[in-house]
This record gives sequence, structure tokens and C-alpha cells, in this order.
Amino acid sequence: AQRVTQPEKLLSVFKGAPVELKCNYSYSGSPELFWYVQYSRQRLQLLLRHISRESIKGFTADLNKGETSFHLKKPFAQEEDSAMYYCALSGLDNTDKLIFGTGTRLQVFP
Amino acid sequence: NAGVTQTPKFQVLKTGQSMTLQCAQDMNHEYMSWYRQDPGMGLRLIHYSVGAGITDQGEVPNGYNVSRSTTEDFPLRLLSAAPSQTSVYFCASSYSLGRDRANSPLHFGNGTRLTVT
Repeated sequence: AQRVTQPEKLLSVFKGAPVELKCNYSYSGSPELFWYVQYSRQRLQLLLRHISRESIKGFTADLNKGETSFHLKKPFAQEEDSAMYYCALSGLDNTDKLIFGTGTRLQVFP
Repeated sequence: NAGVTQTPKFQVLKTGQSMTLQCAQDMNHEYMSWYRQDPGMGLRLIHYSVGAGITDQGEVPNGYNVSRSTTEDFPLRLLSAAPSQTSVYFCASSYSLGRDRANSPLHFGNGTRLTVT
């Protein structure tokens, strides 16, 4: 079964503190993992994907197949990072679907 | 390009009424999908389509129907609305999921806020 788990509903940190949003997945094949973000009053949008191995807005995420995790990290949180973050998973087949986790709300206090 | 357009933005229905949520994209995307967003439950996939004429069920398909007669449009139908269908509905599309397109990102619409009384 295809499943994404985000154990934290809310994560609150102060500006400048490190951030780690947890994501674990269950998938029988080779997955593609993503992080999507929804800022207040904006559309959901892609933040980053594991195949790109990129850093967006200071965020990084490494796929750990042994632990089946794809945690999102940022060394120094900014107030503008406050948003809803969703981890998502898809397979590599053209008929696959994209499944989201329940989301984690990140609050960054000044 | 307008991207993904959803209509209406808001809708109030009475229990038992039917309606169709419209979704259109002008990016020639093959993959289209409908999600509902509920507090504490995140985004749950209702139905999806990998191309015109092809649809499949997601995680929570009951009470909803879809069709994909054209590449551009992917309407979501509620045949007999229930209070449990009160939610925010998002349509999303992408060029293609899958290895050969490196999983192009989903483009989301602005959402439809539906209340069923």
C-alpha cells in the first residue's frame, strides 16, 4: 500500500532555530518523494523533489530508503517559512497517483 | 496560460442536492486529480486521471463521480451531497507522473470551499 506519514501536526520554532519536518513513507517499489508547501492565502506549490537533490529557500530533504524517510530540514528558520507543509509520494509508473501526508503546520516566531 | 481553473470558489448545498465542481487546465497536462482538504487529515485523493478517457479511484472516492472526455477538463460530480462532504476541494494537474517525465510537479487550482447543510 502507498502511504505517507507526517507525525507532527504542528511544529513551532523561533526564528534562527533549526527545523526538521518529519516524513515517513510506505511503498513497495521505488518511490518519488516530494515536499509541497501552502503559504497563507496561496495555492499549494512544489517546494522540492528528491530526484533533483536541490535546495529551495534553504530547505533540503534526503531520501533515506533504509529508514523509509524523507525529512525536510532547514538550518535557520525564517518567519516567512511559516506555512503548511505536505510530504507526497508517487511511483515511477505512468499510471501512478500522487498521495499526500496529513501535513505539518510550521510556525516560526520572531 | 491560466493554469488550473476551478469553479465555483464557494458553494453551499443542502443534503441530497447534486452539483458539479469544474476544473480546467490549459497546459496540455495528461494527469489530473481531485483532492479534498480537511483539518487534521491533509489532502486526500478522491479520483484521478492519467489521460482523456481514463479515470481511477483514489483514497476516498465514495460519493463522487468523475469523467475525462477531454484533456482539458476534469469535472467532479456530487450526486447526492452529504454533510460529510463539507470540505475544500482542490483540482491539480501535471504533465505526467512517471519516470519518463521525471514526475513533473502538480499545479493546483485555488480550491472550492463546499458546505453541505
